[in-house]
Amino acid sequence: ELKVEQNPLFLSMQEGKNYTIYCNYSTTSDRLYWYRQDPGKSLESLFVLLSNGAVKQEGRLMASLDTKARLSTLHITAAVHDLSATYFCAVDIRPSGSEKLVFGKGTKLTVNP
Amino acid sequence: KAGVTQTPRYLIKTRGQQVTLSCSPISGHRSVSWYQQTPGQGLQFLFEYFSETQRNKGNFPGRFSGRQFSNSRSEMNVSTLELGDSALYLCASSSATSTDTQYFGPGTRLTVL
Repeated sequence: ELKVEQNPLFLSMQEGKNYTIYCNYSTTSDRLYWYRQDPGKSLESLFVLLSNGAVKQEGRLMASLDTKARLSTLHITAAVHDLSATYFCAVDIRPSGSEKLVFGKGTKLTVNP
Repeated sequence: KAGVTQTPRYLIKTRGQQVTLSCSPISGHRSVSWYQQTPGQGLQFLFEYFSETQRNKGNFPGRFSGRQFSNSRSEMNVSTLELGDSALYLCASSSATSTDTQYFGPGTRLTVL
């Protein structure tokens, strides 16, 4: 059974600092997604990583995928308060013939002034 | 392009009742997936429909069922509600291509009393 582990689960950081969220998964997959969720809201798609070595960047967020290590990272550069949210990684086991995402437990990020 | 819509947004039921939730996917998307989100278990996959056929099912009891119509709209039904069914139910749609992601709706917040 596929397991997806994120760490840390809680992250409090100061504005202007850098940090990395890690996402490890237990089964071979070359398809990983990052989502953002604000309190009381739905999930917003941030990145789709589709192959080994994939790197995507949007603003202060950069995501990468190492399929050999079964590891994805979400790097935050010079954090600002607006980035406060919960971030989820999800692994797609689409090779099974259907769409099914297995999510990590999420990382609750708080950016303090 | 309109996003994924879900109705109702909020629902309060009592134990033993049944409930039906509705999801309209993004126009052109044929895959609809359902997820349950709770503080304790996180985001868990319920089932996925593609072209009116259930392609995958998560580890939920048979009280949870769904269907998809010819216009790709989907409904989810929960019978004999239990307190533990209180959750945010999220619907996601996808074009099911190799590079697409799942786009989530705003969710239905179900409270079982």
